[in-house]
Amino acid sequence: QQQVKQSPQSLIVQKGGISIINCAYENTAFDYFPWYQQFPGKGPALLIAIRPDVSEKKEGRFTISFNKSAKQFSLHIMDSQPGDSATYFCAARKEGSARQLTFGSGTQLTVLP
Amino acid sequence: GAGVSQSPSNKVTEKGKDVELRCDPISGHTALYWYRQSLGQGLEFLIYFQGNSAPDKSGLPSDRFSAERTGGSVSTLTIQRTQQEDSAVYLCASSLYNSPLHFGNGTRLTVT
Repeated sequence: QQQVKQSPQSLIVQKGGISIINCAYENTAFDYFPWYQQFPGKGPALLIAIRPDVSEKKEGRFTISFNKSAKQFSLHIMDSQPGDSATYFCAARKEGSARQLTFGSGTQLTVLP
Repeated sequence: GAGVSQSPSNKVTEKGKDVELRCDPISGHTALYWYRQSLGQGLEFLIYFQGNSAPDKSGLPSDRFSAERTGGSVSTLTIQRTQQEDSAVYLCASSLYNSPLHFGNGTRLTVT
């Protein structure tokens, strides 16, 4: 059972454009939603995270939008750059559970120069 | 200090052989995780160690897979009688309790 569904699988954006990646979750007990960025040959690295008590969090060009009632959250990359080309994973974790993150299937982003 | 270190970075083995993958977590991190990443797929949870507690092995796909963590630090993931479907990147991560995960660069396992 896939608890976090991520789309699209791949995304191509022109330099300077906005990249949008969406995730939907099923378990209402999830209370922590991070996004990870992975470059080829490297492990995923935490990019930005949000908790459900806020609807938006922004760090530089990266913004998470969170819709608790729809059980959806998304990553927006403003002014996308070729260096942003990577695979992006959303994830979710249950409150009080350090046990594990449940990851989405990933989105391969390509930003054209 | 250094990040999470995994070795080897690449491993090619013949079907039926046993393999051991090593993970050196960040010093002081009490939690250690193993994940598996198949080509074009997300990250599949395998096992979780937290301090001296019994490990959470609920993600191990079969009894051919096992892991141990010695002295609360280094961890070894062992795959016995490897199969072609075991080919994947095996990622290790560590963290302080309930804090963000720090991943290593993984071991790419190819079973021929």
